[in-house]
Amino acid sequence: SAVISQKPSRDICQRGTSLTIQCQVDSQVTMMFWYRQQPGQSLTLIATANQGSEATYESGFVIDKFPISRPNLTFSTLTVSNMSPEDSSIYLCSVGDGGVNEQFFGPGTRLTVL
Amino acid sequence: GENVEQHPSTLSVQEGDSAVIKCTYSDSASNYFPWYKQELGKRPQLIIDIRSNVGEKKDQRIAVTLNKTAKHFSLHITETQPEDSAVYFCAAYSGNTPLVFGKGTRLSVIA
Repeated sequence: SAVISQKPSRDICQRGTSLTIQCQVDSQVTMMFWYRQQPGQSLTLIATANQGSEATYESGFVIDKFPISRPNLTFSTLTVSNMSPEDSSIYLCSVGDGGVNEQFFGPGTRLTVL
Repeated sequence: GENVEQHPSTLSVQEGDSAVIKCTYSDSASNYFPWYKQELGKRPQLIIDIRSNVGEKKDQRIAVTLNKTAKHFSLHITETQPEDSAVYFCAAYSGNTPLVFGKGTRLSVIA
C-alpha cells in the first residue's frame, strides 16, 4: 500500500485563524479524500480532492470553510478557515485506487482550536 | 445514498473468547466491504475486506461474512487477545462514491 504522510501531525490554533494541512503520498494515486474524526466518533467525509479541478464536497461542508487543493497525483492540502473550537478534531487524508476500492489513511492531524 | 449501521457500539469480551461485530447496509449496489481497526491515537488500518462475489473470507483469527440478500456483513475475531482492543469500523462502497463508514465498535478484551 502507499505510504502517506501528513503535516503537521498536531497543532493548537487560535480562534479565527486558518490552518493548512498537507498530505503527501509516495506514489501516484487516483483518489484522495479528506475526512474529519471528532473525538470518539466515526469518520466523516469532508470532500474528494480532484486532481486539476475543484473538490467535491459532502453535504454540510463548503469550499469557503474547507478549501482544498490537489495540484498533482501525489499531493493535496486541506485548509480549515476561520477556525472555531468546534473545528477541533482529527483530520485524515485518505487515498484509494478507484479500480480496487481499497482506501488507506494517513496518520492524521490533531487540531485543537482555543 | 448508502447508509451503514453498525452494532454493537461497545463490546467487552474475556481474553480467548470470540467477538462478533455486525453491520447492515442499504444500497444493494454496494460491492466492497472493508473493516478497519483503529487503536487509540492511531490511524484506521485496513484489516480485512470482502467483495460481493464471495460469502466469507478468513485471515488467521479474523473472518468476515457477507449476506447479500439480507444486506449485512459481520466481523468475527476468534481467540481474542488484549491487543485486539481497539475501535473497529465497517464500511461499504457502492460505485462512484467513497467509502461510507459505520459508527464504530469499541472492543475491549479483558485479560
